[in-house]
Order: sequence, then C-alpha cells, then structure tokens
Amino acid sequence: DAGVIQSPRHEVTEMGQEVTLRCKPISGHNSLFWYRQTMMRGLELLIYFNNNVPIDDSGMPEDRFSAKMPNASFSTLKIQPSEPRDSAVYFCASSLLPQNSPLHFGNGTRLTVT
Amino acid sequence: SQKIEQNSEALNIQEGKTATLTCNYTNYSPAYLQWYRQDPGRGPVFLLLIRENEKEKRKERLKVTFDTTLKQSLFHITASQPADSATYLCAPIPSGSARQLTFGSGTQLTVLP
Repeated sequence: DAGVIQSPRHEVTEMGQEVTLRCKPISGHNSLFWYRQTMMRGLELLIYFNNNVPIDDSGMPEDRFSAKMPNASFSTLKIQPSEPRDSAVYFCASSLLPQNSPLHFGNGTRLTVT
Repeated sequence: SQKIEQNSEALNIQEGKTATLTCNYTNYSPAYLQWYRQDPGRGPVFLLLIRENEKEKRKERLKVTFDTTLKQSLFHITASQPADSATYLCAPIPSGSARQLTFGSGTQLTVLP
C-alpha cells in the first residue's frame, strides 16, 4: 500500500495567487481529513469528509478556503486568493469510518506564500 | 472550550532511561485517546489507542495509561533509544459520532546517546 499521497510536496507562490493542494487517500478508506500545521497553532483540523461528503468544515479559516472530494480516491484543498498567513504545512489523512480508527497521514505540502 | 495540554517543553533523556510524556485535557470526556509520533518533514504516524475503560495499554516498549478522573494520559517509552527521538502527539476522541479529532501541541523528545 502506497499510503496517503499528497502533491505537491512544496509550493511557493505569491500573495493573491490561487493554490491547489491534492490528496489521494488509501484505497478503501472512507473518511478523509485536511489539517494545517504551524508552530504557533499546532495541528488544526480544517475539514473532514465521510464517504466523499463534507461533514464538518468549521475549521476552514475563511471563504478563501474550499475543499472538494469528487470521488473516493481524490480530494483537493484550494486557497484563493492566498495570503502570507496561509503559509504552513498542510496534511491530508484518511481512515476507516469507526470513530476510533487511526488516521493515516500523508507527508504534507509545505506552502509558502510570499 | 476543549483544551489539550502536553509537556510544554522539549524533553531530553539519556539512552536506556524511561521517557514519560503527559497529555492533560479539560472540558470534555473522551471515549478514546490516541498517540501519534511525528518525525521532521513527515506526517504523524499512529502508535496506540486506549479506551476510557482501559487503565493501561502496552505495545513492545510503549505503555499508555488513561486516568479519566485526573483527565490525563501518560505515554511511556522504556529502554529509550536515540531512534525514539521525535515529537509525540496525543489526540483525545470525544464520545459520539463526530470525528472531531483534535491534537495536542506535541512533546519533542530527544534521547541522548
């Protein structure tokens, strides 16, 4: 199993540009999570999906952020327009449905907005 | 509001000793608690799950305790090795159907040879 695959690994962009982060979850997993990690705030849950349906997006910081899961094997997190304060490492994770199932994380996308 | 606190400072210990990491939570009653390990430049990796009705869980050199009265979990690594150096994160999981998986800020452990 290849694990959760995220792309790109690094993204450097200028303020105001659109950024799209991509995630391929583990096959057979039916929950998908997007997290953001910074030194100041740690690991924050942005949004999660069950069976491709967004369940809780209360962690999405503002309307500039949007996430989609068009099918069970692909999800995107888009920031438009990007701002310097969006600079962070963004992680995607997947799991089986039961509440206590472990999360399997990708290796993240390091986003730098200048 | 729900709050999770881990050892606020980095923890340095000598190889061979037992490392003990603390996770305290307030304002909720988790049904489970997970521990993860994170290495630099990588995503967190799941280590152990403990349920609220379990006092202790072991896996090889790892031991986790869960005290719902104290609202605390302790994570022990016995016979520590330099390869155990990493950041360790706890994640108490509330009861109910919601998957609100919130992580503590983590404790950075360094095992000195």
